[in-house]
Amino acid sequence: GENVEQHPSTLSVQEGDSAVIKCTYSDSASNYFPWYKQELGKGPQLIIDIRSNVGEKKDQRIAVTLNKTAKHFSLHITETQPEDSAVYFCAATQSGGYQKVTFGTGTKLQVIP
Amino acid sequence: GAGVSQSPSNKVTEKGKDVELRCDPISGHTALYWYRQSLGQGLEFLIYFQGNSAPDKSGLPSDRFSAERTGGSVSTLTIQRTQQEDSAVYLCASSLESRGLREQYFGPGTRLTVT
Repeated sequence: GENVEQHPSTLSVQEGDSAVIKCTYSDSASNYFPWYKQELGKGPQLIIDIRSNVGEKKDQRIAVTLNKTAKHFSLHITETQPEDSAVYFCAATQSGGYQKVTFGTGTKLQVIP
Repeated sequence: GAGVSQSPSNKVTEKGKDVELRCDPISGHTALYWYRQSLGQGLEFLIYFQGNSAPDKSGLPSDRFSAERTGGSVSTLTIQRTQQEDSAVYLCASSLESRGLREQYFGPGTRLTVT
């Protein structure tokens, strides 16, 4: 089955700086890679996703990159703000068929004002 | 529209008792997931229902855990003879999973405390 590793487990950045979270996956059949943000006391919420037919996707201050050959993908947050403080989870799965979503272990991001 | 709802939001039970946790997914979503999240930890997959297929139960930690999904909608996670290590937040998520759409919508979770 799929195995997703995520680093770092914790990350502190100054407000305005960039934050990068990295994930690797093991199953070359995986082709859908979502990122979720979990705020304290709430369930995770999708913030961005990428499919294997593209190498990069941006949405305002958030971007995700994918390297299929190396089987790794990364989340980039620019101009970080205090409200970006949360736990971020990467995940990998196949976009079709009967395949559960495998999550990484999470990164706790703290943005220091 | 309505999101995923879970009940109860909090449950305190004595060791050895059985508990039932309920999840109401978004209407029309064919897939439903249960996860467990211990304090400060990641998402531990428990079980996955997809349409009429047999559920993927590979994440259930022991035979004390079971789940069912009636009529392709509401799901109940049952923990029998609860143990203190079962204390965690139990999250439910649903997904449309049509044409490759796999975004999961999570409920707020049920916080289970076993005393």
